Amino acid sequence: KQEVTQIPAALSVPEGENLVLNCSFTDSAIYNLQWFRQDPGKGLTSLLLIQSSQREQTSGRLNASLDKSSGRSTLYIAASQPGDSATYLCAVSRGYGNNRLAFGKGNQVVVIP
Amino acid sequence: DAGVIQSPRHEVTEMGQEVTLRCKPISGHNSLFWYRQTMMRGLELLIYFNNNVPIDDSGMPEDRFSAKMPNASFSTLKIQPSEPRDSAVYFCASTRLAGGEQYFGPGTRLTVT
Repeated sequence: KQEVTQIPAALSVPEGENLVLNCSFTDSAIYNLQWFRQDPGKGLTSLLLIQSSQREQTSGRLNASLDKSSGRSTLYIAASQPGDSATYLCAVSRGYGNNRLAFGKGNQVVVIP
Repeated sequence: DAGVIQSPRHEVTEMGQEVTLRCKPISGHNSLFWYRQTMMRGLELLIYFNNNVPIDDSGMPEDRFSAKMPNASFSTLKIQPSEPRDSAVYFCASTRLAGGEQYFGPGTRLTVT
């Protein structure tokens, strides 16, 4: 069974610092990995999706890397802003044609002005 | 595009009552997912459909839970009878492609007293 871990569960950073969030998974046979953002009381918003054949994806201040062989992904958020405060979840899909996602429990981030 | 639509947004009911949650996926998406989120267990997949057909219902906790997708634009998740331990936020998500990026609805917060 795929286990997805995100450590630490919560972290605070001062505004302007770069954020580094880590995700690890136990089974490297994944199809893709997706990073989501969740604001309190809201649904999940997809940030980035990395296919298993890719090493990284970028969108604005966000960059996600994937090292499938070691079972790790990292989400970088450059020059953090108070509006980046949220919970960030990582999820991996099992295989082509299998849409089942296994989620980590998330990193709760607070950016201090 | 209106995104994934869920109703109701909040539901409070008494133990033993039937609860029906509703979801309208994004038009053109052919896969639909029901998730449950709690503090203790995080985000769990309950069931998902491809082209209106249930593919994986291994996450449905017990026979009290049932899900249907009568057409491409509508799905229901029913709990009968409801119990206090069913209290959670229930999310619906959809995707266009197998293994593709998932888009989440705002969720239904269910409280069973």
